[in-house]
Amino acid sequence: AQSVTQPDIHITVSEGASLELRCNYSYGATPYLFWYVQSPGQGLQLLLKYFSGDTLVQGIKGFEAEFKRSQSSFNLRKPSVHWSDAAEYFCAVVTNAGKSTFGDGTTLTVKP
Amino acid sequence: DTGVSQDPRHKITKRGQNVTFRCDPISEHNRLYWYRQTLGQGPEFLTYFQNEAQLEKSRLLSDRFSAERPKGSFSTLEIQRTEQGDSAMYLCASSLGQQTLSTDTQYFGPGTRLTVL
Repeated sequence: AQSVTQPDIHITVSEGASLELRCNYSYGATPYLFWYVQSPGQGLQLLLKYFSGDTLVQGIKGFEAEFKRSQSSFNLRKPSVHWSDAAEYFCAVVTNAGKSTFGDGTTLTVKP
Repeated sequence: DTGVSQDPRHKITKRGQNVTFRCDPISEHNRLYWYRQTLGQGPEFLTYFQNEAQLEKSRLLSDRFSAERPKGSFSTLEIQRTEQGDSAMYLCASSLGQQTLSTDTQYFGPGTRLTVL
């Protein structure tokens, strides 16, 4: 069965600093990978997705993620964090059959 | 706003009561999904519909849970004889349904937070 691990439960960065959120997945075939952001009281918003092709994908709000098959990772990055980026971030893997499995999330706090 | 909407946003109920939640997907989205999210965890898949047909149910969906999408538009999720362990956020998502299930982008609603006392 597939699984997703987000090793960092909570990350704090200063505004303007760079950010990397880690995501490791376990799945026997080529995965479909997603990153979502969830603000308090809100639903999940899709940041970016990877299906195939270029392993560096660009998303909304200045986020990008890189798929590394050898490391089974799909880490999310942003070069300069804004206070409005404070939220919870979820990585998800979707199987060929369309079954979604989410990680437990990483909470991002942004210091002024 | 033409996003996914859910009603109510919050529900407090006593153990043993029945509750029903509603989800209105984005117009013309054929697929509709239900997830459950407990505190400190990511969403867990419960079930999904392709138009009015319920095509998959997670084993998390016990006999006390039932979901319907009678006309292929809005959907309801009912929980009978609620238990304290049912306390969670119930998320609904919809997708266009013109791609494979794996690549079909899901758009999430704000969720219904259920508290069972």
